[in-house]
Amino acid sequence: AQSVTQPDIHITVSEGASLELRCNYSYGATPYLFWYVQSPGQGLQLLLKYFSGDTLVQGIKGFEAEFKRSQSSFNLRKPSVHWSDAAEYFCAVAAYGGSQGNLIFGKGTKLSVKP
Amino acid sequence: DGGITQSPKYLFRKEGQNVTLSCEQNLNHDAMYWYRQDPGQGLRLIYYSQIVNDFQKGDIAEGYSVSREKKESFPLTVTSAQKNPTAFYLCASSIAGGSPKTQYFGPGTRLLVL
Repeated sequence: AQSVTQPDIHITVSEGASLELRCNYSYGATPYLFWYVQSPGQGLQLLLKYFSGDTLVQGIKGFEAEFKRSQSSFNLRKPSVHWSDAAEYFCAVAAYGGSQGNLIFGKGTKLSVKP
Repeated sequence: DGGITQSPKYLFRKEGQNVTLSCEQNLNHDAMYWYRQDPGQGLRLIYYSQIVNDFQKGDIAEGYSVSREKKESFPLTVTSAQKNPTAFYLCASSIAGGSPKTQYFGPGTRLLVL
């Protein structure tokens, strides 16, 4: 069965430091991958997505992610974190088969930013 | 502005009571989804609908019901059979047909049990 694993439940970084959030997926074919961000008590906002083509994807708010098929990974990165980036981040993969197009989410990584 | 609205923001349920969460979208999307979010659990799919008058159960449909009478609306009813309804509920929509499909989310409704 398809699955998404976000190994880090909670990460704390200093403001201005670089950030990498990990995401590993289980999927038999070329996956469609997403990163969403959620501020406390809010809905999810799409940061970026990978469907095909260039494996380095640029998103909003200065985020990027790199698709690595050999490692089954789609890690999210930002070179310099701002205090406003504190939120929870979710990686997702689109399902195939009978529920084609439905998203399977990881359990999320909560990001805290130190001043 | 196009988007998804959910109401109310907070909802309180008494024992044995059914409650209905509203989800409306003006994105002209055919597909709509309901998710439940619990701390540390990510998002779990309750029901989804690819077209008006048709819907399918997701991973955790027990104790919930939906209807899809209009393209713009996909209300979720939390029935008295759902024994642990306290959670954050998120509605989403997307285009239908084929893959991949980006889902866009509403602001959510928090359901609390009195």
